Amino acid sequence: EDKVVQSPLSLVVHEGDTVTLNCSYEVTNFRSLLWYKQEKKAPTFLFMLTSSGIEKKSGRLSSILDKKELFSILNITATQTGDSAVYLCAVESGAGSYQLTFGKGTKLSVIP
Amino acid sequence: NAGVMQNPRHLVRRRGQEARLRCSPMKGHSHVYWYRQLPEEGLKFMVYLQKENIIDESGMPKERFSAEFPKEGPSILRIQQVVRGDSAAYFCASSPAGRTGELFFGEGSRLTVL
Repeated sequence: EDKVVQSPLSLVVHEGDTVTLNCSYEVTNFRSLLWYKQEKKAPTFLFMLTSSGIEKKSGRLSSILDKKELFSILNITATQTGDSAVYLCAVESGAGSYQLTFGKGTKLSVIP
Repeated sequence: NAGVMQNPRHLVRRRGQEARLRCSPMKGHSHVYWYRQLPEEGLKFMVYLQKENIIDESGMPKERFSAEFPKEGPSILRIQQVVRGDSAAYFCASSPAGRTGELFFGEGSRLTVL
Protein backbone atom coordinates (compact mmCIF):
# COMPACT_ATOMS: atom_id res chain seq x y z
CA GLU A 1 0.00 0.00 0.00
CA ASP A 2 1.30 3.44 -0.96
CA LYS A 3 2.20 5.65 1.98
CA VAL A 4 3.00 9.35 2.44
CA VAL A 5 4.30 10.78 5.71
CA GLN A 6 4.63 14.50 6.28
CA SER A 7 6.50 16.27 9.03
CA PRO A 8 6.10 18.23 11.10
CA LEU A 9 2.35 17.93 11.57
CA SER A 10 2.17 21.54 12.63
CA LEU A 11 4.50 24.49 12.74
CA VAL A 12 4.26 28.03 14.08
CA VAL A 13 6.66 30.67 12.77
CA HIS A 14 6.98 34.45 12.72
CA GLU A 15 6.59 36.51 9.59
CA GLY A 16 9.84 36.65 7.68
CA ASP A 17 11.04 33.23 8.81
CA THR A 18 12.01 30.49 6.36
CA VAL A 19 10.34 27.11 6.74
CA THR A 20 11.02 23.65 5.36
CA LEU A 21 8.25 21.08 5.16
CA ASN A 22 9.10 17.42 4.68
CA CYS A 23 7.42 14.60 2.80
CA SER A 24 8.61 11.01 2.63
CA TYR A 25 6.88 8.33 0.65
CA GLU A 26 6.69 4.66 -0.22
CA VAL A 27 5.05 3.84 -3.51
CA THR A 28 5.20 0.76 -5.69
CA ASN A 29 5.38 2.50 -9.05
CA PHE A 30 6.26 6.16 -8.63
CA ARG A 31 5.02 8.56 -11.24
CA SER A 32 5.01 11.99 -9.61
CA LEU A 33 4.91 13.86 -6.32
CA LEU A 34 2.65 16.84 -5.85
CA TRP A 35 2.30 19.64 -3.33
CA TYR A 36 -1.00 21.37 -2.59
CA LYS A 37 -1.94 24.26 -0.33
CA GLN A 38 -5.23 23.95 1.54
CA GLU A 39 -6.64 26.96 3.22
CA LYS A 40 -10.16 26.59 4.54
CA LYS A 41 -11.53 25.46 1.24
CA ALA A 42 -10.21 23.75 -1.87
CA PRO A 43 -6.68 22.40 -2.06
CA THR A 44 -4.82 24.39 -4.69
CA PHE A 45 -2.01 22.96 -6.77
CA LEU A 46 1.53 24.18 -6.11
CA PHE A 47 4.07 21.85 -7.74
CA MET A 48 4.41 18.57 -9.54
CA LEU A 49 7.80 16.86 -9.35
CA THR A 50 8.84 13.90 -11.42
CA SER A 51 12.63 14.12 -11.69
CA SER A 52 15.19 13.96 -8.93
CA GLY A 53 17.29 16.98 -8.13
CA ILE A 54 15.41 19.53 -10.21
CA GLU A 55 14.06 22.38 -8.14
CA LYS A 56 10.67 23.80 -8.95
CA LYS A 57 10.23 27.41 -7.93
CA SER A 58 7.33 29.82 -7.74
CA GLY A 59 7.98 33.12 -6.02
CA ARG A 60 8.93 32.43 -2.42
CA LEU A 61 8.05 28.75 -2.66
CA SER A 62 10.34 26.06 -3.96
CA SER A 63 10.40 22.29 -3.89
CA ILE A 64 12.79 19.49 -4.73
CA LEU A 65 12.51 15.75 -5.01
CA ASP A 66 15.01 13.03 -4.06
CA LYS A 67 13.88 9.80 -5.70
CA LYS A 68 16.76 7.82 -4.24
CA GLU A 69 15.92 8.70 -0.65
CA LEU A 70 12.17 8.87 -1.37
CA PHE A 71 11.44 12.33 -0.03
CA SER A 72 10.63 15.85 -1.02
CA ILE A 73 10.88 19.21 0.71
CA LEU A 74 8.86 22.36 0.30
CA ASN A 75 10.62 25.58 1.24
CA ILE A 76 8.91 28.89 1.92
CA THR A 77 11.15 31.92 2.38
CA ALA A 78 10.20 35.25 3.95
CA THR A 79 6.92 33.81 5.19
CA GLN A 80 3.80 35.98 5.32
CA THR A 81 0.55 35.55 7.25
CA GLY A 82 -1.10 34.59 3.97
CA ASP A 83 1.07 31.49 3.86
CA SER A 84 -0.86 30.10 6.83
CA ALA A 85 -2.50 26.92 5.55
CA VAL A 86 -2.25 23.16 5.53
CA TYR A 87 0.31 21.95 3.00
CA LEU A 88 -0.47 18.59 1.49
CA CYS A 89 1.95 16.23 -0.17
CA ALA A 90 0.68 13.49 -2.49
CA VAL A 91 2.18 10.82 -4.69
CA GLU A 92 0.81 9.45 -7.89
CA SER A 93 1.64 5.91 -8.86
CA GLY A 94 1.70 4.82 -12.47
CA ALA A 95 0.87 1.50 -14.07
CA GLY A 96 -2.78 2.30 -14.61
CA SER A 97 -3.52 3.69 -11.20
CA TYR A 98 -4.92 7.21 -11.22
CA GLN A 99 -5.08 7.70 -7.50
CA LEU A 100 -3.21 10.26 -5.49
CA THR A 101 -2.15 9.11 -2.03
CA PHE A 102 -2.07 12.09 0.32
CA GLY A 103 -0.22 12.68 3.55
CA LYS A 104 -2.03 14.15 6.54
CA GLY A 105 -0.56 17.55 5.85
CA THR A 106 1.53 20.09 7.71
CA LYS A 107 -0.41 22.91 9.32
CA LEU A 108 1.63 26.09 9.04
CA SER A 109 0.72 29.12 11.11
CA VAL A 110 2.55 32.37 10.41
CA ILE A 111 2.14 34.98 13.14
CA PRO A 112 2.88 38.68 12.72
CA ASN B 1 -13.85 30.64 -16.11
CA ALA B 2 -15.55 28.73 -13.33
CA GLY B 3 -13.55 26.23 -11.38
CA VAL B 4 -14.82 22.92 -10.07
CA MET B 5 -18.28 23.48 -8.66
CA GLN B 6 -19.66 21.36 -5.87
CA ASN B 7 -23.04 21.46 -4.21
CA PRO B 8 -24.36 21.48 -1.69
CA ARG B 9 -21.55 22.98 0.35
CA HIS B 10 -23.11 21.71 3.53
CA LEU B 11 -25.55 18.86 3.96
CA VAL B 12 -27.13 17.52 7.13
CA ARG B 13 -28.76 14.12 7.12
CA ARG B 14 -30.19 11.84 9.76
CA ARG B 15 -29.01 8.25 9.99
CA GLY B 16 -30.66 6.11 7.34
CA GLN B 17 -31.30 8.93 4.88
CA GLU B 18 -29.65 9.35 1.50
CA ALA B 19 -27.05 11.96 0.59
CA ARG B 20 -26.40 13.16 -2.96
CA LEU B 21 -23.36 15.29 -3.69
CA ARG B 22 -22.87 16.96 -7.07
CA CYS B 23 -19.79 18.03 -8.92
CA SER B 24 -19.38 19.95 -12.17
CA PRO B 25 -15.79 19.76 -13.44
CA MET B 26 -13.87 22.65 -14.88
CA LYS B 27 -14.72 23.49 -18.46
CA GLY B 28 -12.77 21.24 -20.79
CA HIS B 29 -12.00 18.64 -18.13
CA SER B 30 -13.22 15.12 -18.79
CA HIS B 31 -11.85 13.35 -15.71
CA VAL B 32 -13.52 13.54 -12.31
CA TYR B 33 -12.25 12.24 -8.98
CA TRP B 34 -13.90 12.03 -5.58
CA TYR B 35 -11.89 12.18 -2.37
CA ARG B 36 -13.03 12.02 1.25
CA GLN B 37 -11.40 13.88 4.11
CA LEU B 38 -12.11 12.73 7.63
CA PRO B 39 -11.16 14.92 10.61
CA GLU B 40 -7.42 14.77 11.29
CA GLU B 41 -6.91 12.55 8.26
CA GLY B 42 -5.52 13.09 4.81
CA LEU B 43 -7.57 13.07 1.65
CA LYS B 44 -8.50 9.52 0.68
CA PHE B 45 -9.21 8.51 -2.90
CA MET B 46 -12.67 7.12 -3.53
CA VAL B 47 -13.40 6.93 -7.26
CA TYR B 48 -12.20 8.10 -10.66
CA LEU B 49 -14.67 8.60 -13.50
CA GLN B 50 -14.78 9.71 -17.07
CA LYS B 51 -17.98 10.49 -18.92
CA GLU B 52 -20.31 7.46 -18.58
CA ASN B 53 -17.46 5.28 -17.26
CA ILE B 54 -16.14 4.35 -13.85
CA ILE B 55 -12.40 3.91 -14.33
CA ASP B 56 -11.28 3.10 -10.79
CA GLU B 57 -13.57 2.66 -7.79
CA SER B 58 -11.09 0.85 -5.58
CA GLY B 59 -11.45 3.45 -2.82
CA MET B 60 -15.22 3.25 -2.57
CA PRO B 61 -16.81 1.34 0.31
CA LYS B 62 -18.41 -1.79 -1.06
CA GLU B 63 -21.88 -0.97 0.17
CA ARG B 64 -24.10 2.13 0.19
CA PHE B 65 -21.76 4.27 -1.93
CA SER B 66 -22.08 4.81 -5.67
CA ALA B 67 -20.88 7.36 -8.20
CA GLU B 68 -21.75 8.33 -11.73
CA PHE B 69 -20.70 10.83 -14.35
CA PRO B 70 -23.41 10.90 -17.01
CA LYS B 71 -23.02 12.15 -20.54
CA GLU B 72 -24.93 15.28 -19.61
CA GLY B 73 -24.88 16.91 -16.21
CA PRO B 74 -22.69 16.77 -13.14
CA SER B 75 -21.00 13.86 -11.48
CA ILE B 76 -22.95 12.55 -8.50
CA LEU B 77 -21.70 10.76 -5.41
CA ARG B 78 -24.56 8.98 -3.72
CA ILE B 79 -24.51 7.61 -0.19
CA GLN B 80 -27.47 5.52 0.84
CA GLN B 81 -28.57 4.85 4.41
CA VAL B 82 -25.98 7.22 5.86
CA VAL B 83 -24.32 6.46 9.19
CA ARG B 84 -22.46 8.79 11.55
CA GLY B 85 -19.12 7.53 10.23
CA ASP B 86 -19.97 8.99 6.81
CA SER B 87 -19.64 12.51 8.26
CA ALA B 88 -16.74 14.05 6.37
CA ALA B 89 -15.78 16.56 3.73
CA TYR B 90 -16.16 15.15 0.24
CA PHE B 91 -13.97 16.80 -2.38
CA CYS B 92 -14.37 16.53 -6.10
CA ALA B 93 -11.47 17.21 -8.43
CA SER B 94 -11.11 17.31 -12.19
CA SER B 95 -8.31 17.18 -14.70
CA PRO B 96 -7.96 17.40 -18.44
CA ALA B 97 -7.50 14.18 -20.38
CA GLY B 98 -3.97 12.85 -20.17
CA ARG B 99 -2.95 14.83 -17.07
CA THR B 100 -4.02 12.77 -14.13
CA GLY B 101 -1.63 14.13 -11.53
CA GLU B 102 -2.46 17.82 -11.45
CA LEU B 103 -5.94 17.98 -10.01
CA PHE B 104 -8.17 21.00 -9.64
CA PHE B 105 -10.30 20.68 -6.53
CA GLY B 106 -13.71 22.02 -5.68
CA GLU B 107 -14.42 23.58 -2.30
CA GLY B 108 -15.92 20.39 -0.96
CA SER B 109 -19.25 19.26 0.40
CA ARG B 110 -19.38 18.83 4.15
CA LEU B 111 -21.73 16.06 5.17
CA THR B 112 -22.93 15.85 8.75
CA VAL B 113 -24.91 12.82 9.83
CA LEU B 114 -26.96 13.28 12.98
